[in-house]
Amino acid sequence: QKEVEQNSGPLSVPEGAIASLNCTYSDRGSQSFFWYRQYSGKSPELIMFIYSNGDKEDGRFTAQLNKASQYVSLLIRDSQPSDSATYLCAVRSGTSYGKLTFGQGTILTVHP
Amino acid sequence: NAGVTQTPKFRILKIGQSMTLQCTQDMNHNYMYWYRQDPGMGLKLIYYSVGAGITDKGEVPNGYNVSRSTTEDFPLRLELAAPSQTSVYFCASSPGPDTQYFGPGTRLTVL
Repeated sequence: QKEVEQNSGPLSVPEGAIASLNCTYSDRGSQSFFWYRQYSGKSPELIMFIYSNGDKEDGRFTAQLNKASQYVSLLIRDSQPSDSATYLCAVRSGTSYGKLTFGQGTILTVHP
Repeated sequence: NAGVTQTPKFRILKIGQSMTLQCTQDMNHNYMYWYRQDPGMGLKLIYYSVGAGITDKGEVPNGYNVSRSTTEDFPLRLELAAPSQTSVYFCASSPGPDTQYFGPGTRLTVL
């Protein structure tokens, strides 16, 4: 069974710090990797996706992928209280026709 | 564009009742999905569709049925509701196999 694992947290960081969120996956055939943010009582919204090994930056967010270690992470620089949410890691294998496997999510709290 | 819309927002069912959760997207996306999310958990795929007339099971399809007669609509049918189906249900769509856009969700309670 394909699995995606995240530390459920909560992860608490002070405002202005770097938040580091981690995710491991079991399927070596995975091709696409996604980070979604979900505010309490709301639907998930896509923050970033990454396909290739290395880093991908978008504003304050950086996604990092290491396929050899089956590890993907999300860094949030200059964390703001508005970043407080649950962050969901999702993975798509090469043959899954769009089916995503989600981790259980990490709760992030940014305190002033 | 309204994006992905879902109705109803909330519903309480009695054990054994049936209902249909509606999902509509106006982005002309081929791919559509139904997920459920239990408290403190990630999303689990129930059913998905890669185009009108084509549907397939996801990770947790038991107790549910779907149909896809048009590109826009992807209703989810619950037959003989059980307490284990108490959850939040999200519909999503995507233009291809990635980048899914989610609807606002339906919160279902089965008593």
